Amino acid sequence: KNEVEQSPQNLTAQEGEFITINCSYSVGISALHWLQQHPGGGIVSLFMLSSGKKKHGRLIATINIQEKHSSLHITASHPRDSAVYICAAPGEGDKLIFGTGTRLQVFP
Amino acid sequence: DSGVTQTPKHLITATGQRVTLRCSPRSGDLSVYWYQQSLDQGLQFLIQYYNGEERAKGNILERFSAQQFPDLHSELNLSSLELGDSALYFCASSVGLAAKVDTQYFGPGTRLTVL
Repeated sequence: KNEVEQSPQNLTAQEGEFITINCSYSVGISALHWLQQHPGGGIVSLFMLSSGKKKHGRLIATINIQEKHSSLHITASHPRDSAVYICAAPGEGDKLIFGTGTRLQVFP
Repeated sequence: DSGVTQTPKHLITATGQRVTLRCSPRSGDLSVYWYQQSLDQGLQFLIQYYNGEERAKGNILERFSAQQFPDLHSELNLSSLELGDSALYFCASSVGLAAKVDTQYFGPGTRLTVL
């Protein structure tokens, strides 16, 4: 069993839809990272959060440390949101452990 | 643009060869992390340096080594290359040394193809 699991693995949506990507982890952590990997391969750090909720534009990330669960929401999705979204948690020795990613495609 | 630079962008080489990947962190960042992303394994942590010193080691093969220089740039050396080493190699940098409190900024990656 992976220490960091994401669901769904693949997600397709119509432009304008509300999207939710989930991340569950078995390691004991105090923070979690959400990353976006563009089709060209580049990785952008979206959020790092240790409690509650963070918002940046149309992106919202929430975390529940006790339940070991985090969600990434995208409101009013757009084709340019098409990417792979990866969550990562610091595991033993503070080394980041990555989920396998959620591939999102948003169609116009 | 994250401010982290990596060279080269692409590298094609043969089995048994040795290559060096280079990373320059964002101005002011003291930590450099190296990650490998292969098709079958996803993103994996290799090694972290903080202000010139090795701080953490992940699943890094003995054929791989890294260092961080006084100007804080870092190099990842891969030797005796095998087909399975073909992957995207990313470096990331952060101000501090803790993944649980510091945002990491990723470079554009080096795509290594071993033929």
